[in-house]
Amino acid sequence: SQQGEEDPQALSIQEGENATMNCSYKTSINNLQWYRQNSGRGLVHLILIRSNEREKHSGRLRVTLDTSKKSSSLLITASRAADTASYFCATEYAYSGAGSYQLTFGKGTKLSVIP
Amino acid sequence: ETGVTQTPRHLVMGMTNKKSLKCEQHLGHNAMYWYKQSAKKPLELMFVYNFKEQTENNSVPSRFSPECPNSSHLFLHLHTLQPEDSALYLCASRQLASAGEQFFGPGTRLTVL
Repeated sequence: SQQGEEDPQALSIQEGENATMNCSYKTSINNLQWYRQNSGRGLVHLILIRSNEREKHSGRLRVTLDTSKKSSSLLITASRAADTASYFCATEYAYSGAGSYQLTFGKGTKLSVIP
Repeated sequence: ETGVTQTPRHLVMGMTNKKSLKCEQHLGHNAMYWYKQSAKKPLELMFVYNFKEQTENNSVPSRFSPECPNSSHLFLHLHTLQPEDSALYLCASRQLASAGEQFFGPGTRLTVL
């Protein structure tokens, strides 16, 4: 299974602190993506990092990818109460050789940012 | 309407009912997906449609029947469900030629009594 595993399962920090979430996966991937989900809502794409990239930034987000260790990390700097949500990593691989792509999600990290 | 919409947002049904979930994407994408999200379990891919053709059925029970009449609409027909089918059902779409980002709808919260 390609399934990603996030760590920790839950994280509680004070507003202004940095939050780091980790993800591990099992086999080769095309890319790794991070998504955010507010309680009971749909997922929102945050950032995508390709298998040949090592680091990527988007605003207060920093993602790293280590394909040798099959792991990724998501860093949210200067966290805000509005960052409170669940964060999921998803790995993408091509299958069936027909231009079909699947995303496999982990169980997520529940982040709570305390004002 | 923009993005991906899903109706209804909430659904309560008995085990003998037949109902349908609807998804519509307004993004011009050519791939659509159904996912199931249960408490304390990873998001599970159910069905994949590329260019209106079903390309993946991840061992989903036949009581779930997908339909994709065109590239903008996706349905999930439900029949004789079980209480363990209660979950959040999410629809997503993407453009196959693009990087890989999927766009999700808000989901339908399904409760089977």
